[in-house]
Amino acid sequence: KAGVTQTPRYLIKTRGQQVTLSCSPISGHRSVSWYQQTPGQGLQFLFEYFSETQRNKGNFPGRFSGRQFSNSRSEMNVSTLELGDSALYLCASRGDLPGELFFGEGSRLTVL
Amino acid sequence: GQNIDQPTEMTATEGAIVQINCTYQTSGFNGLFWYQQHAGEAPTFLSYNVLDGLEEKGRFSSFLSRSKGYSYLLLKELQMKDSASYLCAVRVDNQGGKLIFGQGTELSVKP
Repeated sequence: KAGVTQTPRYLIKTRGQQVTLSCSPISGHRSVSWYQQTPGQGLQFLFEYFSETQRNKGNFPGRFSGRQFSNSRSEMNVSTLELGDSALYLCASRGDLPGELFFGEGSRLTVL
Repeated sequence: GQNIDQPTEMTATEGAIVQINCTYQTSGFNGLFWYQQHAGEAPTFLSYNVLDGLEEKGRFSSFLSRSKGYSYLLLKELQMKDSASYLCAVRVDNQGGKLIFGQGTELSVKP
């Protein structure tokens, strides 16, 4: 089985721009979660999608949004980028155990 | 609020045993998870406790005490490849897979 695939792996944007990140979960997995990882804050939950519906949302501003398609692929969008949005964005699909997450390699976003 | 505490760094010797502690205060509890993350890589699932007690999985064991809000990860027969960050996480709801993570413990294994 292929793992969780995230694209792009690296990207550089400037303040005020917007960015879209993509995630393809493990085949057969219907739940996709997004996390932001920074050295100062660690791993922080952004949102979770299940069968195209947002099931959970973390404490991030409305500039952070996401969606899931019928094939379970998910995208997250960050609008009006700020310097503090520089981070590793990790996508995970859920296995049989409720908290058993399979993470992708992440998309490393740098905002200049 | 949600609070998960674990030591920032630990150092241990190859072949030894190390215990990484985690304490939590969360609004809900539906399981405690440990993840391993090597530098520059994605976190990988190690263990899961939902009931009190010890879960053993090869060289790794994890313990949970729900009344004390406490867990530990025990790594035996340490190997150099065990040098990594170990993340404690709590599942706070019973509907989905949302996890609250601690900051992680950076473990260095020395020869």
